[in-house]
Amino acid sequence: SQQGEEDPQALSIQEGENATMNCSYKTSINNLQWYRQNSGRGLVHLILIRSNEREKHSGRLRVTLDTSKKSSSLLITASRAADTASYFCATDGLMDSSYKLIFGSGTRLLVRP
Amino acid sequence: DGGITQSPKYLFRKEGQNVTLSCEQNLNHDAMYWYRQDPGQGLRLIYYSQIVNDFQKGDIAEGYSVSREKKESFPLTVTSAQKNPTAFYLCASRSLGITYNEQFFGPGTRLTVL
Repeated sequence: SQQGEEDPQALSIQEGENATMNCSYKTSINNLQWYRQNSGRGLVHLILIRSNEREKHSGRLRVTLDTSKKSSSLLITASRAADTASYFCATDGLMDSSYKLIFGSGTRLLVRP
Repeated sequence: DGGITQSPKYLFRKEGQNVTLSCEQNLNHDAMYWYRQDPGQGLRLIYYSQIVNDFQKGDIAEGYSVSREKKESFPLTVTSAQKNPTAFYLCASRSLGITYNEQFFGPGTRLTVL
């Protein structure tokens, strides 16, 4: 089962613009994580936000979390062509002791030079 | 280098054959996971293991089998019972007992049925 749903499914922007991706989930969580996947490669961890945090920054990345709305957003500022990839959110369930991450369906980001 | 290795990178299988995908990690992680990814889709969990000699089914375990004889290794066998095995397979691992930690992923194996 997929916990998260990303929105939009695909996003095309010009280099230098900001990219915003959204993730909604269904059940209570310990934390929410964002991953990047370049075409044909494995996933790379970007950032983790705990359930008691509202915002987190890492370089050009900004993640927000609204547990009341069960949603998160990933903002990439001043995008570069190298940011072209698929981005996935993943949730760690609060009542789940199996340490399984549940992944969303992903947003495909294209940054045009 | 520490990390997760998967082999082979590309694998071709004839219908009716079993094939085994390798996953090895030297991160001393307790838990290991296998995911399947279809084109343009997210990841679906096949099997996972939290300890040696124990593993649990994920959401799409039918047609797959695993073993966990060593902490470092978690091979996945795609059996002939899996009707549509062509996909990208990803292995991952993580530490247990730490709530706020990430999963590390291998580079993946692309399986094609001829």
